[in-house]
Amino acid sequence: NAGVMQNPRHLVRRRGQEARLRCSPMKGHSHVYWYRQLPEEGLKFMVYLQKENIIDESGMPKERFSAEFPKEGPSILRIQQVVRGDSAAYFCASSPGTAVIVEQYFGPGTRLTVT
Amino acid sequence: KQEVTQIPAALSVPEGENLVLNCSFTDSAIYNLQWFRQDPGKGLTSLLLIQSSQREQTSGRLNASLDKSSGRSTLYIAASQPGDSATYLCAVRGGNQFYFGTGTSLTVIP
Repeated sequence: NAGVMQNPRHLVRRRGQEARLRCSPMKGHSHVYWYRQLPEEGLKFMVYLQKENIIDESGMPKERFSAEFPKEGPSILRIQQVVRGDSAAYFCASSPGTAVIVEQYFGPGTRLTVT
Repeated sequence: KQEVTQIPAALSVPEGENLVLNCSFTDSAIYNLQWFRQDPGKGLTSLLLIQSSQREQTSGRLNASLDKSSGRSTLYIAASQPGDSATYLCAVRGGNQFYFGTGTSLTVIP
């Protein structure tokens, strides 16, 4: 049973370009969470999604950032017109359900560098 | 707003020592608390999950305790090994998300 998959593992973008980060949850998991880890800072929650539904996006920046989890395929975190401050590690986690007692399982992360 | 603090930020110990990592949180209304390990440039590996109704959890040389009323958790590592060197993160679940501390960077010296 493969764990949470994220790709690419490393992504380099120039300022103003778009970044697309992909997350495939563990088999049987229908809930996905995205977190961002800025240099020298802890992980910060960004968004929580179920298939075709955004449940909580309270941690998402108001502009340039969007996320989706379609019925088929991976969850996508999209950053438009990237700036240097977007350079960070972006982690995806998945869980099998909404029960708060369940664990979140984390992927290896995508390290975004904006030049 | 939940704030999670981990002390110390860095710790260096000789191999074989027992050690304790500390985590404190400001809002005791949590569902659970999870300890993770993060190796440089890698993702998070779950170590222990403690539900809010539990006091402690054990796995091998690791023991985690939770005192929800005082907003504290400790991770005890027995007989430390160089392979334990990593950053240890504490996260508390409130609502839809985990709130993370900034971690304790552990170095075990052979």
